Amino acid sequence: GQNIDQPTEMTATEGAIVQINCTYQTSGFNGLFWYQQHAGEAPTFLSYNVLDGLEEKGRFSSFLSRSKGYSYLLLKELQMKDSASYLCAVRDGNYKLSFGAGTTVTVRA
Amino acid sequence: ETGVTQTPRHLVMGMTNKKSLKCEQHLGHNAMYWYKQSAKKPLELMFVYSLEERVENNSVPSRFSPECPNSSHLFLHLHTLQPEDSALYLCASSQATGVGSYEQYFGPGTRLTVT
Repeated sequence: GQNIDQPTEMTATEGAIVQINCTYQTSGFNGLFWYQQHAGEAPTFLSYNVLDGLEEKGRFSSFLSRSKGYSYLLLKELQMKDSASYLCAVRDGNYKLSFGAGTTVTVRA
Repeated sequence: ETGVTQTPRHLVMGMTNKKSLKCEQHLGHNAMYWYKQSAKKPLELMFVYSLEERVENNSVPSRFSPECPNSSHLFLHLHTLQPEDSALYLCASSQATGVGSYEQYFGPGTRLTVT
C-alpha cells in the first residue's frame, strides 16, 4: 500500500519561512508533487520533483531525497494569502497519484 | 471557459435519487480523473480514463458509474447513494502521453450531500 505522512497543521507569522515535511513509503515512484488548496477551492499545482535535489520557483521551493523517501516544501516571505492546505502526492506509475492528508498552514499578521 | 469545469457545484440528493456529475476540460489533455475528498482525509482516486479508456478503478462501489464519451468530457453517474458518500468530488485532467511532469489540473469540485 501507499503511506504518505505530513503534519496536520502549522502556524507561522507573515514574512517568515515555513517548511512542510512529507515522508512516503510507496510501491513505486515516478515523481512527487506539491499542491496548494485554499478552503472551498480546487487544488492547484505548485511543484514537481522526480530527481533528488532542490527545485526553486519564486517564493516556493521543493526538495526531494528518494533514498530517504522524503520531501519538503519551503515557503519563504510568507503572505496572508499563503494560508491554505498543502498536499503532498506521489505518483507510482503513469497516472495514479497517492495523496497525503494535507498540512493546513495558517499565516498570522 | 478555461481549465477544468464541473457542474453542478453543489448537489443535495436523497438516497433513492439518480444524478450525474459533469466535468469538462479545455486544456487539450488526454487523461481524466475522478477523486473523492472527505474532511480530514486524503484525496481518494476513484477512476482514471486515458485516451477514453478506463485504466484505473480503485474498488469503488457500483453505485458510482463513470463515463468518458470523449477526451474532453467525463461524467460520474450516481444512484442509491449512502450518507457516507457525502463529500467533495473533484475532477482532474492531465497529459498522459509524451514527455513531461504530467501534473494534474483540478476542477472546482461538486459538493455532494446525501440525505
